[in-house]
Formats: sequence, structure tokens, C-alpha cells
Amino acid sequence: GENVEQHPSTLSVQEGDSAVIKCTYSDSASNYFPWYKQELGKRPQLIIDIRSNVGEKKDQRIAVTLNKTAKHFSLHITETQPEDSAVYFCAASSGRGFKTIFGAGTRLFVKA
Amino acid sequence: DVKVTQSSRYLVKRTGEKVFLECVQDMDHENMFWYRQDPGLGLRLIYFSYDVKMKEKGDIPEGYSVSREKKERFSLILESASTNQTSMYLCASSRGQLNEKLFFGSGTQLSVL
Repeated sequence: GENVEQHPSTLSVQEGDSAVIKCTYSDSASNYFPWYKQELGKRPQLIIDIRSNVGEKKDQRIAVTLNKTAKHFSLHITETQPEDSAVYFCAASSGRGFKTIFGAGTRLFVKA
Repeated sequence: DVKVTQSSRYLVKRTGEKVFLECVQDMDHENMFWYRQDPGLGLRLIYFSYDVKMKEKGDIPEGYSVSREKKERFSLILESASTNQTSMYLCASSRGQLNEKLFFGSGTQLSVL
């Protein structure tokens, strides 16, 4: 079945540094790749997404890149701040039945 | 703003009990999903529905069933709860267009003793 692998599982950075989280997916029919942020005790919320016809998308300090050939996509956070500390999930959706499969998550710690 | 409401924040049940988890969304979304969240495993899809009375199995449907009699409501049923079903359960919804973002409920932490 479809699978999404996410690395690393834990990431610790100094405030102001960059953070990169990487994901790979198995279903070549996947065409939508959202990223969700989950703060402690709260529900996951979408922070950025990318569709298969786009290679890169940026929103302020957050950017996502997609390599469809390699089935890789990545989240880049620049100038990290303590409030960026959370669990981040990547996901892939194939549109067949609108099914969205998530990675296992990355716990990001930003040290002040 | 979209509101996805789960009926209980915390639930404690005994092994063998039948358990109902309810989810209601108020934005007329076609698609609804049930995930369970366990540490280190991310969000795993149990079942989803793209229309009233329609349902599809996700990756881990064993031990669960669902019901979607009305568009706004999607229920997850544990026919005979077991201790390995202790988990955080998250409901989500999205619009009918392909590949729309998910809106999540606040979750139900279920403990099966």
C-alpha cells in the first residue's frame, strides 16, 4: 500500500538556524503534498502545501520543495524561532478517494 | 471558520465494550476521515468517507467500523474494544474537490482498560 517515510524523527536547532525535514512517498499517483504542524495538546493544522505540477513553494520563512522523479519532498524553515517548536507531519494524497497518508512526524525543538 | 467537533475529549472504556466516537463538521464538507495517532507512528488512517453512506477502508481498519448517515456526521465504532485500541483518535474533514486540506477536530483520547 501507500507509504510516506519522514526523517528525522527528532530535530534540535538553535534559534535563528534553519531546519529541514525530508519525506519520501511510494505512490506515484500522489499529486498533493501538505505539511501540518501540531503544537503540544493541539490539533494538526496545515502550514503549507504543494501540488505535483509545482517544484517549489514559499511562504515567508517556510518553503517546500518537490522532486517527483525521486518521490521526495522537503520542508525548509529558515530563521527558526522558539514558537516553531512542534511536531511536523508530511503527507501525500493521491486523489483516489481523497486518501491522505501521513509520515510518522518530526519533533522540532528550537533552542533559544 | 471550519469547525470539526468530536463528542468527547477523554474516554475510558473496558475491554469488550462497544464504543462510539462521534464527529460533526459544520462546513458542508464531502469528505470525512478517522485517524489514530500514536507516538512514533504518526497519523494512521482508519476509515474515510467521500459521501453520505459511502465509506472506504484506510490502512488499519481492523477492529473498527464507521457510519455516515448524514453528511455532517461521521461515527467511528469499536465493536469490542481492546487494550491495543488505546490511542488518540482524530477526525478530519475536507471539501469535495481533489486534494483539499484537512481540518481536524481536537481529538478523543481513548483508554481501554
